[in-house]
Amino acid sequence: QKEVEQNSGPLSVPEGAIASLNCTYSDRGSQSFFWYRQYSGKSPELIMFIYSNGDKEDGRFTAQLNKASQYVSLLIRDSQPSDSATYLCAVPCRGDKIIFGKGTRLHILP
Amino acid sequence: SAVISQKPSRDICQRGTSLTIQCQVDSQVTMMFWYRQQPGQSLTLIATANQGSEATYESGFVIDKFPISRPNLTFSTLTVSNMSPEDSSIYLCSVEDPGVPGELFFGEGSRLTVL
Repeated sequence: QKEVEQNSGPLSVPEGAIASLNCTYSDRGSQSFFWYRQYSGKSPELIMFIYSNGDKEDGRFTAQLNKASQYVSLLIRDSQPSDSATYLCAVPCRGDKIIFGKGTRLHILP
Repeated sequence: SAVISQKPSRDICQRGTSLTIQCQVDSQVTMMFWYRQQPGQSLTLIATANQGSEATYESGFVIDKFPISRPNLTFSTLTVSNMSPEDSSIYLCSVEDPGVPGELFFGEGSRLTVL
């Protein structure tokens, strides 16, 4: 089992709808979880992190964490064309090593 | 936040040669991380560079192929040695936010093409 798994997509969502991105992880000891956004040709940038079970909201973004199921998700409300990017789930595993999932390509349809 | 400068931003190299990528951070950091991102793929950690000690390499990466230097707390280099076309990739330097463990800041990346 890979340490961090994501559906590679592409995920196509109409403008204004909710985009739902999912990630599972294997290390039960992981305590923090990160979502990065990467535009084509650019470096990743952090958009959300979450430590506790439940939901964390920041503007149009909501991160959801379920440690029992080893599952973390990112919801993007009112999707905009500018949200079109690859979204990377990242989890510190085996101490201080931050492992990235393969990323989900999101395409917002105008 | 941290500002990270990498150079070169891109290069085209011949098979069998070596290239050194430089990474400069605008603040002192304990650890610097080197990632590789192959076309259409996610980020793979190559090694962690610690000042004053040898770098720690991930499985599948060895010092002879990817020697790393870390002469001080703001600078590191990654060398890609004896390059082959399979080394064509983007190489990214990153540092961790000391206030938010797990949050990484990345350099602009070095896009390497090996012919």
